[in-house]
Amino acid sequence: GAVVSQHPSRVICKSGTSVKIECRSLDFQATTMFWYRQFPKQSLMLMATSNEGSKATYEQGVEKDKFLINHASLTLSTLTVTSAHPEDSSFYICSASARMNTEAFFGQGTRLTVV
Amino acid sequence: GENVGLHLPTLSVQEGDNSIINCAYSNSASDYFIWYKQESGKGPQFIIDIRSNMDKRQGQRVTVLLNKTVKHLSLQIAATQPGDSAVYFCAEVNSGYALNFGKGTSLLVTP
Repeated sequence: GAVVSQHPSRVICKSGTSVKIECRSLDFQATTMFWYRQFPKQSLMLMATSNEGSKATYEQGVEKDKFLINHASLTLSTLTVTSAHPEDSSFYICSASARMNTEAFFGQGTRLTVV
Repeated sequence: GENVGLHLPTLSVQEGDNSIINCAYSNSASDYFIWYKQESGKGPQFIIDIRSNMDKRQGQRVTVLLNKTVKHLSLQIAATQPGDSAVYFCAEVNSGYALNFGKGTSLLVTP
């Protein structure tokens, strides 16, 4: 199946710093990618939809200035957590679909810990 | 800190038995559904999908049933194995792309 690569898999950062997470579709072009956040023992919560060449669409309650999304090419989307705080510690996951109404492929996830 | 929230429901089955995991979805207009398996510390992995013009689809050891009348999905795993232990999520597709995930069920397979 198609592969989505997410990097880094784990990151620890100091409070107040920014962290960038990359999501790449390795063998298909993804005009749309998605970013999710997951707390322990909970489901995935959609944060934003990343569209190549345009601004991301954020879900209600997600701060766009806090979680910067850039989708510069058909195979790369990045999520930057700016001025990170301990409450931003979570598991962040990206996904991508090659076409509408087809399966979404997920990255391996990034465990962010803010200390 | 992180939200604690509610713990996932847990289904415990013995190795070799069949497992049935249930899911309710919210949007009656959704026309595509996917089951995912998520192991600890990893991203979700596709298991099987079904479109709304079907009520049953079978894969290798897995079957998905869709009941649109009551907006309910189920995932059946035959001859459950220890490697099946994971959290299982159903997801409904909205607007062609975005996935809305169900709450998830933790499957624990005991030898």
